Amino acid sequence: SQQGEEDPQALSIQEGENATMNCSYKTSINNLQWYRQNSGRGLVHLILIRSNEREKHSGRLRVTLDTSKKSSSLLITASRAADTASYFCASFPQGNMLTFGGGTRLMVKP
Amino acid sequence: EPEVTQTPSHQVTQMGQEVILRCVPISNHLYFYWYRQILGQKVEFLVSFYNNEISEKSEIFDDQFSVERPDGSNFTLKIRSTKLEDSAMYFCASGGQGRTDTQYFGPGTRLTVL
Repeated sequence: SQQGEEDPQALSIQEGENATMNCSYKTSINNLQWYRQNSGRGLVHLILIRSNEREKHSGRLRVTLDTSKKSSSLLITASRAADTASYFCASFPQGNMLTFGGGTRLMVKP
Repeated sequence: EPEVTQTPSHQVTQMGQEVILRCVPISNHLYFYWYRQILGQKVEFLVSFYNNEISEKSEIFDDQFSVERPDGSNFTLKIRSTKLEDSAMYFCASGGQGRTDTQYFGPGTRLTVL
């Protein structure tokens, strides 16, 4: 079993639509982070939500955290073609080994 | 805005050769990390480094790997004798606030072992 699994694995939407990605994790966490990765490029930190927070916003991003269900969601509103990327959740199930999920590949069609 | 830089962007080497991947973390950060991502797979933690020593390492980080902060700015990952399965993107990251806070990633070095 993996810490941090995203759902769906792939998502294709039209520009302007909202995109929702989900992440489930298994052990207790201090925080959960979301990253974006454009094809073949590095990881860009998007947002960090702490275990005592339920929702956090950053621009067009909205992240929720439900520690009782051990799940988080990332919502991108009014998507743009430039949002096309892979999105990963990451957390620290042990020590400071940041552990990534498998990611959701988002395709936003113009 | 400060960023993590990595060199080279692409390294091609022969199996059995030593490689050194270089990173310049964000200047006031205290925590340094290496990750790798085999093509099409997850990003995997390799090692964390704080106060001039390894603080954690994963099972991947065996005796073939070593890290060093030779001066006040560079952070290096050495693979002593590369294997075909070491081919991957290697990402350096740094963080300043604490062990479990935001990490800032470099653009990566693509290592190809032939």
